[in-house]
Amino acid sequence: KNQVEQSPQSLIILEGKNCTLQCNYTVSPFSNLRWYKQDTGRGPVSLTIMTFSENTKSNGRYTATLDADTKQSSLHITASQLSDSASYICVVNAGSYNTDKLIFGTGTRLQVFP
Amino acid sequence: DSGVTQTPKHLITATGQRVTLRCSPRSGDLSVYWYQQSLDQGLQFLIQYYNGEERAKGNILERFSAQQFPDLHSELNLSSLELGDSALYFCASSVAPTGRMDTQYFGPGTRLTVL
Repeated sequence: KNQVEQSPQSLIILEGKNCTLQCNYTVSPFSNLRWYKQDTGRGPVSLTIMTFSENTKSNGRYTATLDADTKQSSLHITASQLSDSASYICVVNAGSYNTDKLIFGTGTRLQVFP
Repeated sequence: DSGVTQTPKHLITATGQRVTLRCSPRSGDLSVYWYQQSLDQGLQFLIQYYNGEERAKGNILERFSAQQFPDLHSELNLSSLELGDSALYFCASSVAPTGRMDTQYFGPGTRLTVL
């Protein structure tokens, strides 16, 4: 069964600290993996997209890693800011060449306190 | 602002009723995706249209249907509504027919409450 599991479910950190969010997947076939940031009550915003051949991708203070062998991805947030408080969703595309099959994780809720 | 617009922002209705949610994609985007986000289930992919044609289907109930019009806006129709249909409904758009390496841009969502 295709599954995407994220941990931790929730996380509280102090402003300025770093944190790492985890995503494990059992999805086949694998097309790509995305991380989204979703502020409460708003639509998700794409942070990174990676194929199986990419190990790391950065977007400002966000760095995603992918280990296609162990089927694990992580999102590292550096020097956290209050505006980083949001849910972070890992999404794996199990589609083939011309179709999508998006499998969503349930997200990690991050709270950054001053 | 993603460039994707959704109306209405909020919708309150009763069980058994039918509602229509509307989405206008970003200028130039041909793909429209619909998602449901319930409190306890996270985001669920419902259906995708590309240039007027159904492209992919996810966990969409038979009571739900969608279409994409020639001007590329899309509507999601929900009928025989149940309490469990209460959720945030998001529309997203992208340029390509698949999301292989294409960014999806999400709208602000429609919050549906079924009483």
